[in-house]
Amino acid sequence: GAGVSQTPSNKVTEKGKYVELRCDPISGHTALYWYRQSLGQGPEFLIYFQGTGAADDSGLPNDRFFAVRPEGSVSTLKIQRTERGDSAVYLCASSLMGSTDTQYFGPGTRLTVL
Amino acid sequence: AQSVTQLDSQVPVFEEAPVELRCNYSSSVSVYLFWYVQYPNQGLQLLLKYLSGSTLVESINGFEAEFNKSQTSFHLRKPSVHISDTAEYFCAGMNSGGSNYKLTFGKGTLLTVNP
Repeated sequence: GAGVSQTPSNKVTEKGKYVELRCDPISGHTALYWYRQSLGQGPEFLIYFQGTGAADDSGLPNDRFFAVRPEGSVSTLKIQRTERGDSAVYLCASSLMGSTDTQYFGPGTRLTVL
Repeated sequence: AQSVTQLDSQVPVFEEAPVELRCNYSSSVSVYLFWYVQYPNQGLQLLLKYLSGSTLVESINGFEAEFNKSQTSFHLRKPSVHISDTAEYFCAGMNSGGSNYKLTFGKGTLLTVNP
């Protein structure tokens, strides 16, 4: 079956611009996660959705970052006024229910802010 | 707060040699532990996990890891590696309590298997 997909695979933008990153989870998975992986680091948690609601957004670095999942399936991570320090690979994962269910990761979106 | 440390950023080995990738964690609560693998140009895949029960867990491709509470370790081992095992390996932890959905990753270990 189809895995987690993310679009675009690469995004290059200029400092100050707005970007949206999309995640399509595995069908039927109620839990969705966003992580960010900077160069030479492991992924860092950003936000966790259970259904349509953000159950934990404690990992979002500041209020320029926002994520939605309006119908409990596709999610969009939105970054306003991008900064060079936002450059990273943004990973999306989904799991069946949450908790210790296996998190299945997408291939990531590589964001470069010039 | 929980943290996961992978002591080696790179581990080069020859094919058919044994390998151990080290992982230590620190946490004030009980944890679940995971190893993820990222093959070149692919996404992260779960290799194995420890939730409870037997402290030795195995993957389908010959890797194993042992949860050692006294040493706060979850090292990954394989007795004989193949070229195809070349990948980056990430150890991750998850609290067994309130936020039992959030993975905390180490920085990763790049395993390179040479012929």
